[in-house]
Amino acid sequence: EAQVTQNPRYLITVTGKKLTVTCSQNMNHEYMSWYRQDPGLGLRQIYYSMNVEVTDKGDVPEGYKVSRKEKRNFPLILESPSPNQTSLYFCASRNTGNTEAFFGQGTRLTVV
Amino acid sequence: AQTVTQSQPEMSVQEAETVTLSCTYDTSENNYYLFWYKQPPSRQMILVIRQEAYKQQNATENRFSVNFQKAAKSFSLKISDSQLGDTAMYFCAFAPTAGGTSYGKLTFGQGTILTVHP
Repeated sequence: EAQVTQNPRYLITVTGKKLTVTCSQNMNHEYMSWYRQDPGLGLRQIYYSMNVEVTDKGDVPEGYKVSRKEKRNFPLILESPSPNQTSLYFCASRNTGNTEAFFGQGTRLTVV
Repeated sequence: AQTVTQSQPEMSVQEAETVTLSCTYDTSENNYYLFWYKQPPSRQMILVIRQEAYKQQNATENRFSVNFQKAAKSFSLKISDSQLGDTAMYFCAFAPTAGGTSYGKLTFGQGTILTVHP
């Protein structure tokens, strides 16, 4: 089954404790991205990657890191989480033909 | 840079009736795609309909259709014969095609919460 898998689905952490949200896709898509969803703001792009070892900043990259060492994986890293990073996070992938984006199930992150 | 605006934070409709959700966008790109995504309470993001900017004919998917006005940069979604299962948040989204200056970027609007009443 074609899918994007994010883990964990829910996470509560404390300020400053490094965390990683994993994302994996099995569709051989070149393009992967991370979004955060906040009420009234829609989904805002954090980082995206056009292919292995190619990443670029989106609209709200501050406080986040990503890596793309393999085509299927695109982890999101918060080196020192802060309460303003409390949000719902989505990973997405699509191919270079600009077809629909496939989304993961979302990760609800709370930083206290 | 492109922007997508959904000016209706919330909408409601009676079951079996028709509702239209609005979306406007701003871009300097000539070639792009527009999408409507549905997000039910489960949080899953589901593609509802897609429109390619170079196609003049409006896209249709069963009860869902769009009114695409390229000159006005408007992309509204019409839901006919509304069903209780249509209750969800709806997002309008924009993506330039390959070769555009912002290729790779999928930009979303703020979302519209649609409630279908029995």
